[in-house]
Amino acid sequence: DIQMTQSPSTLSASVGDSVTVTCRANQSISRWLAWYQQKPGKAPKLLIYKASTLESGVPSRFSGSGSGTEFTLTISSLQPDDFATYSCQQYHGSPLTFGGGTKVEIK
Amino acid sequence: EVQLEQSGGGLVQPGGSLRLSCAASGFIFSAYGMTWVRQAPGKGLEWVSSITGSGKSTDYADSVKGRFTISRDNSKNTLYLQMNSLRADDTALYYCAKDPGGSGILDYWGQGALVTVSS
Repeated sequence: DIQMTQSPSTLSASVGDSVTVTCRANQSISRWLAWYQQKPGKAPKLLIYKASTLESGVPSRFSGSGSGTEFTLTISSLQPDDFATYSCQQYHGSPLTFGGGTKVEIK
Repeated sequence: EVQLEQSGGGLVQPGGSLRLSCAASGFIFSAYGMTWVRQAPGKGLEWVSSITGSGKSTDYADSVKGRFTISRDNSKNTLYLQMNSLRADDTALYYCAKDPGGSGILDYWGQGALVTVSS
C-alpha cells in the first residue's frame, strides 16, 4: 500500500496568513493526488485533484503543487472559513490511501 | 444538484450485521463509480470499498475483505454496504462518495452514517 504522510499535524495561523501543508508519498504517485477540506461534523469536500487542478467553485486562494512523492497545499490568504482539517489522498493505485490530516486552527 | 443521502447506521453488537444505504440524485447514477470511506473517531479517512457504475467490478480494503459487500441498484439509484461480522474496530463514521471518472477522485460525499460496534 502507498503510505501518505502529512505535515504538520496541526498548524496555527491568523486570518490573512499564507499557510502550506505538505504531503509525502512513500513511492511515486505521479500527480495522482487530491486534497480535501473537512470541517467538524461534516463530510470532506474536494478542493484539488491531479495535484494542482482546482475543483469548480473552490476559491483561487487555494493552490496545489508537486509531483512524484512530494506535494503541497497552499492557502494564500487564510479566511475565517478556511479553519478546518485538510487531507491528501493518492489515487495512483488501489487501495486509495489518505494522509492523516492537518488541522489548521486559529492562532 | 448532486445529493447523496445516507441511512442505516446504528449500534450493533460485535459479530453482528448492518446495511448502509446511500440514495443518489442529481446525476446519472449508473454512469459513475461509487466508494465507501470511513473515519474512526478522531482518526483520518480510510478507504473501504469501491464499485464501478455497472456494478460488475468491486474492490475492498484488506481490513474488510470477506466481511463487507458493496453493491448497487441502478434502478433505485442506491448504493449499499452490507457489513457482516462486525468488530469494535469497525466503529466509524461511514461516508459514501461519488467518483467522477472511476479514477479515485471523490467529488461528492454523503453526510455520513455512524456505525458503533459495542456490546
